[in-house]
Amino acid sequence: LAKTTQPISMDSYEGQEVNITCSHNNIATNDYITWYQQFPSQGPRFIIQGYKTKVTNEVASLFIPADRKSSTLSLPRVSLSDTAVYYCLVGPFSGGYNKLIFGAGTRLAVHP
Amino acid sequence: EAGVAQSPRYKIIEKRQSVAFWCNPISGHATLYWYQQILGQGPKLLIQFQNNGVVDDSQLPKDRFSAERLKGVDSTLKIQPAKLEDSAVYLCASSLVGRGPQETQYFGPGTRLLVL
Repeated sequence: LAKTTQPISMDSYEGQEVNITCSHNNIATNDYITWYQQFPSQGPRFIIQGYKTKVTNEVASLFIPADRKSSTLSLPRVSLSDTAVYYCLVGPFSGGYNKLIFGAGTRLAVHP
Repeated sequence: EAGVAQSPRYKIIEKRQSVAFWCNPISGHATLYWYQQILGQGPKLLIQFQNNGVVDDSQLPKDRFSAERLKGVDSTLKIQPAKLEDSAVYLCASSLVGRGPQETQYFGPGTRLLVL
C-alpha cells in the first residue's frame, strides 16, 4: 500500500485559497487518491477523489500531475468553518475490498 | 437519508471493565468498518465486515476486542477487559459494496471512550 506524506499543520486566513500537497511516491497503477475532512468530535467526511489530472466539485479541487507521485487539494476562499484535519489516502485494495489507511493528516487552522 | 448511527457517544470506565459500542450503518450498505482513533492520530481500521462476514481483522487485538455483525446490519464492538491505552474514539463507517476505489465510506460521529 502506498505511503503518503503531508504537512502536519497549516495556517491560513479567511478568504484565502489553501493548497495542501500530499506526496505518494510509490503509488500503484490502480490506486486512486482520496481526501477526507474531519472536524472535531466528528467522523471523517469524503471530500474528493481522483485518478489523474484535475477533479473539481462544489467543495474543492484536486490536482494530480502526470507522474501521480503527488497531489494537491485546493480549497478556494476558505472560511473559519474549514478549520479541520485533512487526510490524503491512496490505494484501495486489500484482498479485493476497500481499505483506507489514514496517516496523521494536515491540521488546517483558518484565522479571521 | 439517515447517516451512520453510533451509541453511546461517550463512555467512561475503569481499567479491566468491559464496554460495548453499537453501530447502525446506512440502510442497504453491505460493508461495515470499525476504526480506532487515538488523540492526534488518524483512524486505524480494526475490523471490516462484508454483510455478516469478516474480511479483514488483521489489526484487531483479538485477546480483548471482539466484534459481530449479526444479520448483516448493525454491529457491536466489545472490549473485555479494557486497558488504559484503549482510550480513544471508536468510529463506525459503512459503504455500499466495499469494492472499488471510487466508493465512499460514510462515518458515524464516534464513541469517545475514556479508560481510567
